[in-house]
Amino acid sequence: NAGVTQTPKFRVLKTGQSMTLLCAQDMNHEYMYWYRQDPGMGLRLIHYSVGEGTTAKGEVPDGYNVSRLKKQNFLLGLESAAPSQTSVYFCASSLSFRKNTDTQYFGPGTRLTVL
Amino acid sequence: GENVEQHPSTLSVQEGDSAVIKCTYSDSASNYFPWYKQELGKRPQLIIDIRSNVGEKKDQRIAVTLNKTAKHFSLHITETQPEDSAVYFCAASMRSGTASKLTFGTGTRLQVTL
Repeated sequence: NAGVTQTPKFRVLKTGQSMTLLCAQDMNHEYMYWYRQDPGMGLRLIHYSVGEGTTAKGEVPDGYNVSRLKKQNFLLGLESAAPSQTSVYFCASSLSFRKNTDTQYFGPGTRLTVL
Repeated sequence: GENVEQHPSTLSVQEGDSAVIKCTYSDSASNYFPWYKQELGKRPQLIIDIRSNVGEKKDQRIAVTLNKTAKHFSLHITETQPEDSAVYFCAASMRSGTASKLTFGTGTRLQVTL
């Protein structure tokens, strides 16, 4: 049982390039989330998904797109990377939104640098 | 939306002393308050949580208290050890329909010195 995994662990992009971050979970969780973590700002929600085929915007969605084609995978895309998107990206998942099943489990993170 | 403030941003204690981290939230509808510990270069990991129908919860050396009237909650770590050194994040969550989203505080870097 690997839990939540993320690919890649590190990436360096040039401004304007595109990339996709992959999050996978093997816990049969319905809910999945993408956060970014910047120094002094905690974790901020980018997008989330409440089930296969559904996505919704979080607190800081601009410049990102997501897709949830399979229940176990949640993809985060950057179409045209900007230096402001330099950050550590964490994926998380939870069983559902209901009481006692809403604990979020985090992946190991992806460190992205945009030059 | 929800806003969570966390204090202090850094905290240094001697081994064996207690540490207290405080958070306030803005939305009175928030009903779930987890605390995460993040070691350097690692993922955040849940250490304790509390729901709005409970005032206090304890797990060995860690306790969390919640004051819904004042909209603040606190993490208490007793008998601190060097392995408690990490960044701690509080968060608040409110269920809205089928969504339950966490808003995080900005973190407290705890250093336990020998």
